[in-house]
Amino acid sequence: RKEVEQDPGPFNVPEGATVAFNCTYSNSASQSFFWYRQDCRKEPKLLMSVYSSGNEDGRFTAQLNRASQYISLLIRDSKLSDSATYLCVVTYTGGFKTIFGAGTRLFVKA
Amino acid sequence: NAGVTQTPKFRVLKTGQSMTLLCAQDMNHEYMYWYRQDPGMGLRLIHYSVGEGTTAKGEVPDGYNVSRLKKQNFLLGLESAAPSQTSVYFCASSSFRGGERYEQYFGPGTRLTVT
Repeated sequence: RKEVEQDPGPFNVPEGATVAFNCTYSNSASQSFFWYRQDCRKEPKLLMSVYSSGNEDGRFTAQLNRASQYISLLIRDSKLSDSATYLCVVTYTGGFKTIFGAGTRLFVKA
Repeated sequence: NAGVTQTPKFRVLKTGQSMTLLCAQDMNHEYMYWYRQDPGMGLRLIHYSVGEGTTAKGEVPDGYNVSRLKKQNFLLGLESAAPSQTSVYFCASSSFRGGERYEQYFGPGTRLTVT
């Protein structure tokens, strides 16, 4: 079993749709959580950190459930420019173990 | 501000050849990393460095060596390339403050093919 698992998709949604990505992690010692975005043939870029209380940045909302070891990302009012791969990332303290999920591919269509 | 740069952008090697990938960052970050990205597997950490002159192994270090002689540079070496090392290599850097690492900034990647 992978340490960080994501639905690979792809998710095909129309503009304006709401889409949710899920991520599960297996190590309860995980400390920090992030969502990164990666465009085709480009480097990953931080989309947002994920905090225990949940956090929102414009159209994006991230949630963390430590008890269930589950992270989510919600995108509201999808734009064409949201088409990308979304990477779930988990890090651990006491070392430099950073685990990237394989990513969920999103296509937003007009 | 260039951020994180990588050279070369593309390279084709024959099995057994050697090469060095260079990563440079101008953000004065303490930490630097080398990852490889393969289809369906996500990014995997090869080696990392917590400061000038120090390096450590990541998840998939075999077949690679690294050096960090200067804070701003992190080199990844392949001594004898194998087809299994065909991949996209990303360098990243991050700062460190108060016991928690902050976001990693990535370079544009190096696409390596080993034939």
